[in-house]
Amino acid sequence: DGGITQSPKYLFRKEGQNVTLSCEQNLNHDAMYWYRQDPGQGLRLIYYSQIVNDFQKGDIAEGYSVSREKKESFPLTVTSAQKNPTAFYLCASAGKPGNTIYFGEGSWLTVV
Amino acid sequence: QKEVEQDPGPLSVPEGAIVSLNCTYSNSAFQYFMWYRQYSRKGPELLMYTYSSGNKEDGRFTAQVDKSSKYISLFIRDSQPSDSATYLCAMSGTSGSSNTGKLIFGQGTTLQVKP
Repeated sequence: DGGITQSPKYLFRKEGQNVTLSCEQNLNHDAMYWYRQDPGQGLRLIYYSQIVNDFQKGDIAEGYSVSREKKESFPLTVTSAQKNPTAFYLCASAGKPGNTIYFGEGSWLTVV
Repeated sequence: QKEVEQDPGPLSVPEGAIVSLNCTYSNSAFQYFMWYRQYSRKGPELLMYTYSSGNKEDGRFTAQVDKSSKYISLFIRDSQPSDSATYLCAMSGTSGSSNTGKLIFGQGTTLQVKP
């Protein structure tokens, strides 16, 4: 089946540790996105990539890093510099920038 | 002031009711408007996609966009318990002649449809 796969679904980490969230899509989409969702809030854009080997910061990029070495993969690293990393992280993709965006099932990160 | 405002609810209605969900926005550059449905602990799924002003209907769902008032709505007819979810409005604008693809989301409205 075509879709967006995020892993792991649930992740616990100690404060001060970096953690990488995986996002893979087999939709042949050019654009990929990472959003963060906190309780009672909408989605906020962390990073986005419109093409392989290129990405741009979103509204809340501080404390996060990404790479886009392959079209189908867009991993997100939550670094120890991120002050409040506990959240629900959503990866998304679109055929072309501006086309309809489709989401993965999300990854829950809890930092203790 | 946030670019997109959405009443977080919660909104509770009896089964069969007509539901109206709304968002207001401040950026006149927004041209593309979407509604997503998100079940608890799941990723959002696209319900409706509308370009510019007007209405769009899909089954029990109708999306309306009024660009002059900077106001969008989603109507759900004959609401069902399975419609219980959080509904997120989202919109994006253009840079030159291209859609930037960057979605700005409302906070989401939690809907509960009681049997």
